[in-house]
Amino acid sequence: DVKVTQSSRYLVKRTGEKVFLECVQDMDHENMFWYRQDPGLGLRLIYFSYDVKMKEKGDIPEGYSVSREKKERFSLILESASTNQTSMYLCASSPSGNTIYFGEGSWLTVV
Amino acid sequence: DQQVKQNSPSLSVQEGRISILNCDYTNSMFDYFLWYKKYPAEGPTFLISISSIKDKNEDGRFTVFLNKSAKHLSLHIVPSQPGDSAVYFCAASIGSNDYKLSFGAGTTVTVRA
Repeated sequence: DVKVTQSSRYLVKRTGEKVFLECVQDMDHENMFWYRQDPGLGLRLIYFSYDVKMKEKGDIPEGYSVSREKKERFSLILESASTNQTSMYLCASSPSGNTIYFGEGSWLTVV
Repeated sequence: DQQVKQNSPSLSVQEGRISILNCDYTNSMFDYFLWYKKYPAEGPTFLISISSIKDKNEDGRFTVFLNKSAKHLSLHIVPSQPGDSAVYFCAASIGSNDYKLSFGAGTTVTVRA
C-alpha cells in the first residue's frame, strides 16, 4: 500500500510566523505535490516536484515555497503566514501520470 | 478561472437509490477524467477514470459517462450505500500521463438510511 504521511495534522500559527509542512512518501515516487483544499474551490495545486531539488509552480504558488532535498520528502514552507492561508493542505505523490496518492491532510489555522 | 466545475455543492439521496453527480469542463484539450472520493479528515482516494476515447466506464456500482460534445461528465452510483457519503471531486487532465490535474470544487453526497 502506498503511504503518504503528513506529520502535522492540525496546526495553529500566528500571522507572520514561518510554517513548515512536512510530507513523506514510502513508494519511491518521482512526483510529489502540494495542494490546498478550500470550500467552493476544490483542490488547487500550489507546487509540484518531479525530481529531487526540482520544482515547478502550480496554480497558486504565491506566498509559498517548497523544498525537496530527498526523493521521499517534500516540504511546503509558508515564509510569513497570513490568515488567508488558513486551509487544508494535501500532499500527494505519483509514480507517473495522474495516478495520484494523497496524504490525510494538514489543517492549518493562522490567527 | 476554474476549468472544471461541479455546480451542485451537495446531493442527498436515499439508500438504495441512484446518485448522479455532474461535472462540466471548459478546456477542450482535456481528454482524461477522474473522480476522487474524500471522507472527512482523510485525503482523497481515486475512484474511477475515463479516457475521451470512451463514453462510458463502469466499475462495480460506479459508472462514469462522458459527453465530449457537451463537455460534460457524470458519475452514477447504483445503488447508493451509507458508506458512499463523502465529497466527490471531478478532475481532468490533458492526457493520462499529465500529472497536473484540474479539480472541481466537489459535491458532498449524503446517503440517507
